[in-house]
Amino acid sequence: DARVTQTPRHKVTEMGQEVTMRCQPILGHNTVFWYRQTMMQGLELLAYFRNRAPLDDSGMPKDRFSAEMPDATLATLKIQPSEPRDSAVYFCASGPGQNYGYTFGSGTRLTVV
Amino acid sequence: RKEVEQDPGPFNVPEGATVAFNCTYSNSASQSFFWYRQDCRKEPKLLMSVYSSGNEDGRFTAQLNRASQYISLLIRDSKLSDSATYLCVVFAYSGAGSYQLTFGKGTKLSVIP
Repeated sequence: DARVTQTPRHKVTEMGQEVTMRCQPILGHNTVFWYRQTMMQGLELLAYFRNRAPLDDSGMPKDRFSAEMPDATLATLKIQPSEPRDSAVYFCASGPGQNYGYTFGSGTRLTVV
Repeated sequence: RKEVEQDPGPFNVPEGATVAFNCTYSNSASQSFFWYRQDCRKEPKLLMSVYSSGNEDGRFTAQLNRASQYISLLIRDSKLSDSATYLCVVFAYSGAGSYQLTFGKGTKLSVIP
């Protein structure tokens, strides 16, 4: 089965450090989402790309978060500087279009101490 | 009002029971609808799309009522393996050429032997 690959699976870092999370969408999928999941807030949309262009990043704290798609096989989410409140699971999802659903990666479990 | 609302549960049902989950959404311009399931410490996985005419996949039946902005999921003959959190998902135009895939916080189901 085709899958969305996220790295790293787990990351523990100290407050103030830069964190970069990577996502390889399924080949041919033109839509990529980044989500953050916590127990309190559930799944929150951070960023949305279509054909590599960022269409919506209104859910992302702009002062410390950035999301890019340098090419069709790689999406990145960067936090600089990281804070303890950023501790969460970060998911990437890709899809071929709105009516077909989206496939999630296994997530990056981030802990900022 | 939250964009996508679900009863958080938990729903504790015996094996073989029929259980129904409901979901309401606030954006009348919503275009596509899905149910996902998420197992503990795993990524969300697409269970089924939801169509206006209603659709069925084995023991699972999904219904959409656009007038009431209401989505439902019915699980018949519950299995232990159905224990998970069920997420209602809505895809809607959010303005300026962008779309959002919004998740409810999920309904937790526990099927008991």
